[in-house]
Amino acid sequence: NAGVTQTPKFRVLKTGQSMTLLCAQDMNHEYMYWYRQDPGMGLRLIHYSVGEGTTAKGEVPDGYNVSRLKKQNFLLGLESAAPSQTSVYFCASRASGSSYNEQFFGPGTRLTVL
Amino acid sequence: DQQVKQNSPSLSVQEGRISILNCDYTNSMFDYFLWYKKYPAEGPTFLISISSIKDKNEDGRFTVFLNKSAKHLSLHIVPSQPGDSAVYFCAASPTDYKLSFGAGTTVTVRA
Repeated sequence: NAGVTQTPKFRVLKTGQSMTLLCAQDMNHEYMYWYRQDPGMGLRLIHYSVGEGTTAKGEVPDGYNVSRLKKQNFLLGLESAAPSQTSVYFCASRASGSSYNEQFFGPGTRLTVL
Repeated sequence: DQQVKQNSPSLSVQEGRISILNCDYTNSMFDYFLWYKKYPAEGPTFLISISSIKDKNEDGRFTVFLNKSAKHLSLHIVPSQPGDSAVYFCAASPTDYKLSFGAGTTVTVRA
């Protein structure tokens, strides 16, 4: 079991460029999440999905779009990157029947926008 | 408005002593509370959790205490070991599927 994997691990973009971050999980989890981590801010939820074909906005959704076409994949898109989107991005997944809402995290993608 | 707060950004403790990490929350609807541990360049990993019907949960060297009336929880690590040096995040969940995270506390265990 690879768990939750994220591609790429690092990326540098110029302002205005677009990119897609890929998250994949092999645990057959229903729920998937995208977070960003910034110094002093903890983890903030960008978007999430409660099942294949569904997505919803989290705490900081502006400037991002997501898609969940397959149960095992959750894509995060930046259409026009801005320096404020420089961050570390984490994907997570969770089984629908978990007792404590425990989420499993990927290793992260470090994104720099110049 | 942050609903989960970790007011101590860092904690330094000697190896073998107790580490106490604190977390406060504002939403009385939170039903589950979790602690995550994060090493540099890795994703957070689940450490221990507690539901609102309990006031203590223990797992080896890690114990979480919950005081609902004060909206406060704490994580005790006894004894602290060098491998415990990491960032610890407190998280809380209402009965749906989202988590709210605190800003994290960086623990450094000194030899």
